[in-house]
Amino acid sequence: DIQMTQSPSSLSASVGDRVTITCRASQSISSSLNWYQQKPGKAPQLLIYAASSLQSGVPSRFSGSGSGTDFTLTISSLHPEDFATYYCQQSYSTFGAFGPGTKVDIK
Amino acid sequence: EVQLVQSGTEVKEPGESLKISCKGSGYSFTSYWIVWVRQMPGKGLEWMGIIYPGDSDTRYSPSFQGQVTISADKSTTTAYLQWSSLKASDTAMYYCARGDRTGTTYNYWGQGTLVTVSS
Repeated sequence: DIQMTQSPSSLSASVGDRVTITCRASQSISSSLNWYQQKPGKAPQLLIYAASSLQSGVPSRFSGSGSGTDFTLTISSLHPEDFATYYCQQSYSTFGAFGPGTKVDIK
Repeated sequence: EVQLVQSGTEVKEPGESLKISCKGSGYSFTSYWIVWVRQMPGKGLEWMGIIYPGDSDTRYSPSFQGQVTISADKSTTTAYLQWSSLKASDTAMYYCARGDRTGTTYNYWGQGTLVTVSS
């Protein structure tokens, strides 16, 4: 099975900061990587699919990059509503494992 | 509008059985995969299993194979997740989500069903 890891597990940042989260797959998954945002008490929401495609309705300050085994999610300028937990998920195989998550909180 | 509406909060005792539901609407229910995801208290998302309601093709994560059963009823456009004998470790929030055509990207989610198992 494909295993996903993320770093860091948590980070503290201020409004306006540029934030980068890394996700790594245990084997090459081409560009089959999604990113989700989850706020407390809410269901996850798809942000980025196929490594770099922005889901409809998602602000352009979110971007994704990478291929193979290494991927990044970047928030160019953190907004107050962006404080949440972010998960990567491989879409290469049926068993769509999620990464362990990165919690972004207020510094 | 695509919607997935899940059944309500459940409080059960260890050893009891349970079946929770996820009703899809606003799209062709038989044409898209439905996935179930577990989130234990304060923890991350775990992919449990997936079903294609069109032909009931079902696949499970090895971690959940034999522990739960996933099913779907085309006539009521509802997917189900069931346990035959709950354990305290089944306490979690359970989400259903609709996959894209490949079933590997989840762009519509239910609101979640909280299951608490306690004596």
